[in-house]
Amino acid sequence: KAGVTQTPRYLIKTRGQQVTLSCSPISGHRSVSWYQQTPGQGLQFLFEYFSETQRNKGNFPGRFSGRQFSNSRSEMNVSTLELGDSALYLCASSLEGRRTNEKLFFGSGTQLSVL
Amino acid sequence: DAKTTQPNSMESNEEEPVHLPCNHSTISGTDYIHWYRQLPSQGPEYVIHGLTSNVNNRMASLAIAEDRKSSTLILHRATLRDAAVYYCILRVNAGNMLTFGGGTRLMVKP
Repeated sequence: KAGVTQTPRYLIKTRGQQVTLSCSPISGHRSVSWYQQTPGQGLQFLFEYFSETQRNKGNFPGRFSGRQFSNSRSEMNVSTLELGDSALYLCASSLEGRRTNEKLFFGSGTQLSVL
Repeated sequence: DAKTTQPNSMESNEEEPVHLPCNHSTISGTDYIHWYRQLPSQGPEYVIHGLTSNVNNRMASLAIAEDRKSSTLILHRATLRDAAVYYCILRVNAGNMLTFGGGTRLMVKP
């Protein structure tokens, strides 16, 4: 089975631009969640999608948004980029995300640099 | 959120066992203890999880204290490939909104 696939692997943008990151979950997984990782703040939860609906949301500004498609693939969008948005963005998938003994599978991430 | 406390870093020699501790004194009865690790330039990787009893899998063992206020991840024979940041996480609620602490950076010396 293929793992979680994130594209692109690296991205360079300038302040004020917007960016879209893509995540393909493991086949059969319906829950997709997104995390931001920075050296200063560590790994922080952004949001989670299940059946095309946002189920949970972390403490991030509205510039960060996402969506999930009927095939469970997900995208996240960051508008009006700021320097502080430079980070590794990680996507994780799991079967349904309804049980606390469920494993998460992470992709290798998209490294975003904002200049 | 339920919180865990781990040492910032630990060092081990190759081929020796490693015991990575985690304190979670505010754990509730239904919270699962999960461990993930993050190798350099990769996303986190599931290692093991447990509720009350000790658990073993091909990667590691998880020893859970009787009062469940602490746990220990055991790597039986550390290799250079085990050098990573290890995160101890409590799964409190349904949904994949995990709270990652700082983790323990494990360094393995040849």
